[in-house]
Amino acid sequence: DTEVTQTPKHLVMGMTNKKSLKCEQHMGHRAMYWYKQKAKKPPELMFVYSYEKLSINESVPSRFSPECPNSSLLNLHLHALQPEDSALYLCASSQDSGGGEKLFFGSGTQLSVL
Amino acid sequence: KQEVTQIPAALSVPEGENLVLNCSFTDSAIYNLQWFRQDPGKGLTSLLLIQSSQREQTSGRLNASLDKSSGRSTLYIAASQPGDSATYLCAVRLGFKTIFGAGTRLFVKA
Repeated sequence: DTEVTQTPKHLVMGMTNKKSLKCEQHMGHRAMYWYKQKAKKPPELMFVYSYEKLSINESVPSRFSPECPNSSLLNLHLHALQPEDSALYLCASSQDSGGGEKLFFGSGTQLSVL
Repeated sequence: KQEVTQIPAALSVPEGENLVLNCSFTDSAIYNLQWFRQDPGKGLTSLLLIQSSQREQTSGRLNASLDKSSGRSTLYIAASQPGDSATYLCAVRLGFKTIFGAGTRLFVKA
């Protein structure tokens, strides 16, 4: 199994809603990532988890809250988002986060904030 | 600060043509370079990974080269097909972070 699975594929939410994005991998990878991608722009790193601990937070607003319940799962909790947060949210994983490993990406969640 | 640039930004070619996509980066202290394909609104599919100690990787009709000292990589696509139409992204790895170029949007005409 070389897949990273993201749910849901599409999400529409209001600015007062609370929702969560989910990501799962069964490759035994110990590093997991959240990226944000606006239309026609490259992906931008948001968070990195290594061995279930938050390693990097790229100064992401607190309305985005990551969680890594175990080594296979990664969540992104959303609360009080703004319309400018509408984007494709991508999850990725790698064997470790130390250097030369290949990144595997999921198919993403297309988020629209109304 | 690492910057990754891809040229051209867009490319339209007839089917069957061989083509080269270019990627340059400013900091040569990279761990690896990875080429991805992205279809509209979809995730990223890994095409090739070149470690910093390697010069070249091949997979089917794809060949990627890396010249770390000059900060350049190329992706060569042989005998292009309409199904190759997508955005191609290069990404360099430095420690915990992967920095992406803006991509080359490729359209292969039948």
